[in-house]
Amino acid sequence: GIQVEQSPPDLILQEGANSTLRCNFSDSVNNLQWFHQNPWGQLINLFYIPSGTKQNGRLSATTVATERYSLLYISSSQTTDSGVYFCACGSQAGTALIFGKGTTLSVSS
Amino acid sequence: KAGVTQTPRYLIKTRGQQVTLSCSPISGHRSVSWYQQTPGQGLQFLFEYFSETQRNKGNFPGRFSGRQFSNSRSEMNVSTLELGDSALYLCASSLVRSEQFFGPGTRLTVL
Repeated sequence: GIQVEQSPPDLILQEGANSTLRCNFSDSVNNLQWFHQNPWGQLINLFYIPSGTKQNGRLSATTVATERYSLLYISSSQTTDSGVYFCACGSQAGTALIFGKGTTLSVSS
Repeated sequence: KAGVTQTPRYLIKTRGQQVTLSCSPISGHRSVSWYQQTPGQGLQFLFEYFSETQRNKGNFPGRFSGRQFSNSRSEMNVSTLELGDSALYLCASSLVRSEQFFGPGTRLTVL
């Protein structure tokens, strides 16, 4: 099955800094999603991006399907951006999302 | 449109008992998937139901089962609970093969 690797595992930033989170996947995908897990455990949808580039406010994401990676950009970080960010991929054959281990982001003021 | 709802939100059980968790998908979504999150194993896919049929299953023992009703609501059951079943159980709903939306989860503690 698909392997999903995220880097870095941990990221510590000062408020206002920019960051890039990376997601590598091992096979073709028909679904790629980025999530932010809030302190209560709920996964908040950030982007549905099996290919291409999208932007939503201070966040943007790019997936290069042919090279099997996706990037999540966070600009002008705020303390409320802290938490765990997950990348999850769905294969061409199935519907299950395979999750990476996540990137834990800590933003301090 | 209301999001995915899960009940109960918290549950404490003892080893050997069984438990049933419930998930109501977003209106119009016919696919419901279940995931388990533990500190050691991360987020893992349990199974997916579509139109009352299990369409996909992860690598979990037979103690984990589920079903889906005609209104797309889904339940998952874990029998003969073990300490290792303590986890956050997340339900997701989607249209066919598209973006998945997650509920708030049920946090199960097995004592």
